[in-house]
Amino acid sequence: AQTVTQSQPEMSVQEAETVTLSCTYDTSESDYYLFWYKQPPSRQMILVIRQEAYKQQNATENRFSVNFQKAAKSFSLKISDSQLGDAAMYFCAYNDDDKIIFGKGTRLHILP
Amino acid sequence: DAGITQSPRHKVTETGTPVTLRCHQTENHRYMYWYRQDPGHGLRLIHYSYGVKDTDKGEVSDGYSVSRSKTEDFLLTLESATSSQTSVYFCAISDTGRYTEAFFGQGTRLTVV
Repeated sequence: AQTVTQSQPEMSVQEAETVTLSCTYDTSESDYYLFWYKQPPSRQMILVIRQEAYKQQNATENRFSVNFQKAAKSFSLKISDSQLGDAAMYFCAYNDDDKIIFGKGTRLHILP
Repeated sequence: DAGITQSPRHKVTETGTPVTLRCHQTENHRYMYWYRQDPGHGLRLIHYSYGVKDTDKGEVSDGYSVSRSKTEDFLLTLESATSSQTSVYFCAISDTGRYTEAFFGQGTRLTVV
């Protein structure tokens, strides 16, 4: 069965600094999509960034970028110039045919 | 924002009573999902649907049933609520499943006393 592992339950970063959240997954598929979602205190789930497995280029969305290592099955999220509004739970997700599988999440604290 | 609403948003119920949560979408998306979110466990899939009357179990389906008689509605039923089912429940929808992101409802906080 496919699994998604986020090994950092909590992280802290100073405002304006850069932080990297890690995610590993397990799959035997070659074509799949990976996502990072953000859940602020409002509880609303928000898509941050997506990566298509067949694309070698790492996805980037403004201050958010990923380091996708397909062979290592690693999909980390880098947040540059951290802002107070980035404080949230971050979930890594793997889309498997009909199901979407989430990691346990990383709670990110931003220190002013 | 994707048109997805969950009802009720909050509910307190007694152990042993049946409870039904509703998810309604206006996006005509094929896939619908029910997750529960608990501290330290992230989002765990309960049941999902890949079409009208087509449903399947997720990793934590025991004690839950679902029904989807229309594209827009996906119901989650706790036949006999237990305290272990106290949680925040999220409904999500997706257009193509594998290739697109999920859009989430705002969640339902269920407390079983």
